[in-house]
Amino acid sequence: GDSVTQMEGPVTLSEEAFLTINCTYTATGYPSLFWYVQYPGEGLQLLLKATKADDKGSNKGFEATYRKETTSFHLEKGSVQVSDSAVYFCALRSGGGADGLTFGKGTHLIIQP
Amino acid sequence: GAVVSQHPSRVICKSGTSVKIECRSLDFQATTMFWYRQFPKQSLMLMATSNEGSKATYEQGVEKDKFLINHASLTLSTLTVTSAHPEDSSFYICSARRVDGGSQYFGPGTRLLVL
Repeated sequence: GDSVTQMEGPVTLSEEAFLTINCTYTATGYPSLFWYVQYPGEGLQLLLKATKADDKGSNKGFEATYRKETTSFHLEKGSVQVSDSAVYFCALRSGGGADGLTFGKGTHLIIQP
Repeated sequence: GAVVSQHPSRVICKSGTSVKIECRSLDFQATTMFWYRQFPKQSLMLMATSNEGSKATYEQGVEKDKFLINHASLTLSTLTVTSAHPEDSSFYICSARRVDGGSQYFGPGTRLLVL
């Protein structure tokens, strides 16, 4: 079945550091890929997405590129801020038509001033 | 826009009782709502997909008689955990997809503790 693997946390960085959170997936067909963010006490929010190979999703300074050859969708940001502290989830939606999402375990990101 | 609420945010109940969790799309209509379950330090696991006016579709391994889902309107879906046991203790999260398709919008989750 479909699965998503993302790096374990917590990941602790200093403000203005470069961020990479790795995400790889296993799926049949051609899935759509997502990054969701969950701030403390809030529901998951869509951060960015990509629906086909080589697409780059971007939002709020974050970006991720759909790499079919490496089955990866790594999240990057050039300069993180304290307000980026949250839990980040990588997810996929199967290309077979099912709408439910398959999630990774989540990565807790902590940004220190 | 695109706000999804859940009620209650947390609930404690005795073993053997039933608990109902509501999921509402506050400012949009949702033909499809999804119910997920999350264990500590684990990923969200899709439990079922509910479409307004029809029976829910359950994922493999999820007992439909244990987790009753009702999607009575375009803005409300409910999950009832029947005859709850301590192993049902978990974080339950719903999401809703707009009538016109597109992204899923997530509720803040409900933490259930069964004693």
